[in-house]
Amino acid sequence: SAVISQKPSRDICQRGTSLTIQCQVDSQVTMMFWYRQQPGQSLTLIATANQGSEATYESGFVIDKFPISRPNLTFSTLTVSNMSPEDSSIYLCSVDSGNTGELFFGEGSRLTVL
Amino acid sequence: GENVEQHPSTLSVQEGDSAVIKCTYSDSASNYFPWYKQELGKRPQLIIDIRSNVGEKKDQRIAVTLNKTAKHFSLHITETQPEDSAVYFCAAIRITGGGNKLTFGTGTQLKVEL
Repeated sequence: SAVISQKPSRDICQRGTSLTIQCQVDSQVTMMFWYRQQPGQSLTLIATANQGSEATYESGFVIDKFPISRPNLTFSTLTVSNMSPEDSSIYLCSVDSGNTGELFFGEGSRLTVL
Repeated sequence: GENVEQHPSTLSVQEGDSAVIKCTYSDSASNYFPWYKQELGKRPQLIIDIRSNVGEKKDQRIAVTLNKTAKHFSLHITETQPEDSAVYFCAAIRITGGGNKLTFGTGTQLKVEL
């Protein structure tokens, strides 16, 4: 299994500002995934972060709004840019176990935008 | 892409009763079906999974069944306890190696009442 650390665990942000969430994994992984979980909702994949290449974004998510960095095989960041109250969510970093399919999640970052 | 539907959205049972949550999927190529439990304020964690080459899997009080023909799978919890209260998510994916992207169901809020 993988141990994933995220920070911040929670934050309260002002409208129009940006916040960067960090995700650290205790082992090297090829791909890292960023999910959004809006209040009372399911998990929606934002993008897949590949080391050494641009992130791959899912439909409805764009790089200008959610820029992602992946400088090495154990670390990634997700920035939520120009935030509005609709961006209030839990953002979760995850990695898979390779060819078994199991996903491991970080603790999540709960953002509240005022 | 894959589409996963999950029912019911909320489920209330008496302690000791059984609980059943059902999911359907759209992509007949999907071959891995995990179930995640998310307690309030915590990260989702895998509780059981099933692959397309088996029809049923059991782990103590929880079991999962898969009907590939009908493209549906179910989670069964027997002898429910208060600590089973949580949100449960089903998911489906076609595993093709690393970097597998899970599609999650909409979630079921299970409440086990004393």
